[in-house]
Amino acid sequence: NAGVTQTPKFQVLKTGQSMTLQCAQDMNHNSMYWYRQDPGMGLRLIYYSASEGTTDKGEVPNGYNVSRLNKREFSLRLESAAPSQTSVYFCASSEGWPGGGSYGYTFGSGTRLTVV
Amino acid sequence: KNEVEQSPQNLTAQEGEFITINCSYSVGISALHWLQQHPGGGIVSLFMLSSGKKKHGRLIATINIQEKHSSLHITASHPRDSAVYICAVRPVGNQFYFGTGTSLTVIP
Repeated sequence: NAGVTQTPKFQVLKTGQSMTLQCAQDMNHNSMYWYRQDPGMGLRLIYYSASEGTTDKGEVPNGYNVSRLNKREFSLRLESAAPSQTSVYFCASSEGWPGGGSYGYTFGSGTRLTVV
Repeated sequence: KNEVEQSPQNLTAQEGEFITINCSYSVGISALHWLQQHPGGGIVSLFMLSSGKKKHGRLIATINIQEKHSSLHITASHPRDSAVYICAVRPVGNQFYFGTGTSLTVIP
C-alpha cells in the first residue's frame, strides 16, 4: 500500500542511548516532516525537509538530528536520549512545499518512544 | 502561544446525533487541515480547506476566513466515528500549526 512507513513502532531506551527513527514514503512527495505528540499538546514540528538534500529546524529541534537520505527517506536521530524525549513521533510527507500550496499531509503510523 | 484553539476538548454523543467540532485561529492562513486520529494512534487526513465548504460522506467541513473559524460536522454519528479530531492551520508562508484535538466518543 502506498503511504508513509515508519519504523520501529515501539522503542524503549535508557537515558544516554542513541537511536534512529526511520521514515520512507513511496508517493514521490517533495517535503517530509518529523513531529512529536505529547499529552495535552498539539503535534509539534521537530525538523522538516522541503526537498532532497535540504533540512530545516522546526519548533522543537533540540536533541535531534535528521537526514534526508534521498527523496523517499527522512530519518530522525536521537544522539543521547533523555526522558523529556519520551513521546510519540510521527513522520509525514506532502506533495507540496512547506510554506504553501493546497496539499495536505500523509502521516506514518507513529513510533512510541519511552526513555527511562 | 497557541495559534489554534479547538472546542470542545471532549465530546460524548449518542449514536445518530449531529456533531459539531469548532476550530478558531488567530492569524491569516493559506490553508486549514482537519485530521482524524484513531485510538490506535494513526492520523488520517480528512479535509484541506482554504475557503467555503467540503463534504465527504457524513463529514462536512466549513471555513469562514473573515471570522477565522472552521467547523467539522458529522451527521448521523456512529460509534466508529469515535476518535480525536485535529485542526491544523498554515499561516501564510509557514508550517502547519496543530490544535490539541477534540476527543469524540459516540455511544451506541
